[in-house]
Amino acid sequence: DAGITQSPRHKVTETGTPVTLRCHQTENHRYMYWYRQDPGHGLRLIHYSYGVKDTDKGEVSDGYSVSRSKTEDFLLTLESATSSQTSVYFCAISESLAGGGGTQYFGPGTRLTVL
Amino acid sequence: AQKVTQAQTEISVVEKEDVTLDCVYETRDTTYYLFWYKQPPSGELVFLIRRNSFDEQNEISGRYSWNFQKSTSSFNFTITASQVVDSAVYFCALSEADAGNNRKLIWGLGTSLAVNP
Repeated sequence: DAGITQSPRHKVTETGTPVTLRCHQTENHRYMYWYRQDPGHGLRLIHYSYGVKDTDKGEVSDGYSVSRSKTEDFLLTLESATSSQTSVYFCAISESLAGGGGTQYFGPGTRLTVL
Repeated sequence: AQKVTQAQTEISVVEKEDVTLDCVYETRDTTYYLFWYKQPPSGELVFLIRRNSFDEQNEISGRYSWNFQKSTSSFNFTITASQVVDSAVYFCALSEADAGNNRKLIWGLGTSLAVNP
């Protein structure tokens, strides 16, 4: 199994508060991703990173920001959490991009509830 | 338009039955990759297989097999002699080599498989 951890694993927070989720990898993979998973929508890409300090938006990036100051860590921040951001968040890593056949390996997920 | 279609939302079988999960995809690229992932009730996403568009050989791994047919744009997954531990949601995904799309996987909505004792 790829060495990917996510913290926290569960979080309950209130509307309007900032929240930061952390993804940590021990595989030294270049690419890291944040997804959210919601019933009826499957997995949707929020942001991804192609190297230290290099990030780009995915399809549902509004309300989220990311940072990657080290190869092994990719942080997802909800600047002001809303109830619509209640979801399960997955981090993934890959050695190459999906279009190059890069297989994405996933962390265990973080269940976030915004009240 | 959905690019990856998993038409079976839920399937229920009895243990030891064979079951096939369908995946149909759309792409204009000649180079692309197809993936299957498993999400058991514990919630993690587990990679099962990757297949590139130039390799149409069927793949077998134990009780799992995959049938890739470019002519019908399908990449179906069969579990032989299903077991309760196979109960999970299974996702099919597509990646395209086109420069504009090469950063992401395109996911189907998943098929929930329940294997009953």
